[in-house]
Amino acid sequence: QKEVEQDPGPLSVPEGAIVSLNCTYSNSAFQYFMWYRQYSRKGPELLMYTYSSGNKEDGRFTAQVDKSSKYISLFIRDSQPSDSATYLCAMTAGQNFVFGPGTRLSVLP
Amino acid sequence: DTAVSQTPKYLVTQMGNDKSIKCEQNLGHDTMYWYKQDSKKFLKIMFSYNNKELIINETVPNRFSPKSPDKAHLNLHINSLELGDSAVYFCASSQSRLSSYNEQFFGPGTRLTVL
Repeated sequence: QKEVEQDPGPLSVPEGAIVSLNCTYSNSAFQYFMWYRQYSRKGPELLMYTYSSGNKEDGRFTAQVDKSSKYISLFIRDSQPSDSATYLCAMTAGQNFVFGPGTRLSVLP
Repeated sequence: DTAVSQTPKYLVTQMGNDKSIKCEQNLGHDTMYWYKQDSKKFLKIMFSYNNKELIINETVPNRFSPKSPDKAHLNLHINSLELGDSAVYFCASSQSRLSSYNEQFFGPGTRLTVL
């Protein structure tokens, strides 16, 4: 089993849709959970991070962590064409920093 | 101001050549990283340096050699390039490996194509 798995996509949704992006992981030591967004031909940039289980909201974005299920999600409300990018989950425990393989999202106008 | 910069942005070279990619960060961070992103977008860590000291060295062919002349720079030298080395290489930095949480700031990437 890979350490971090993510729905590979690609995912295409109409503008205004609610998007759900998900990752599962196997290492229970992970404590910080992050979502990075990567536009085409650019480096990843941090979108949100959460510590341990719980929810965190930032504008149209909500990150959820369920440590008991080893499952994290990113929800995007009222999705916009500018949200079209690859979304990578990442998690860390000490020096161990692991990225998921990414989900490519296209929001169609 | 560019936080993490890499040169060159594109690199096209023949198999068997030796090439270097340079990375600089002006964020005052202690820790720097090299990642490889393959055609399927999978981002895999290769090396990490903290204050010029190697702290992470994943299973990478020894044709790849990182060099950190100071904590603001981390260069990657690749000997005897192979077709499978074609990928996008990202440099990143974070404040300190001693922090529990380390946001990593990424450079724009170097797209390496080996012919």
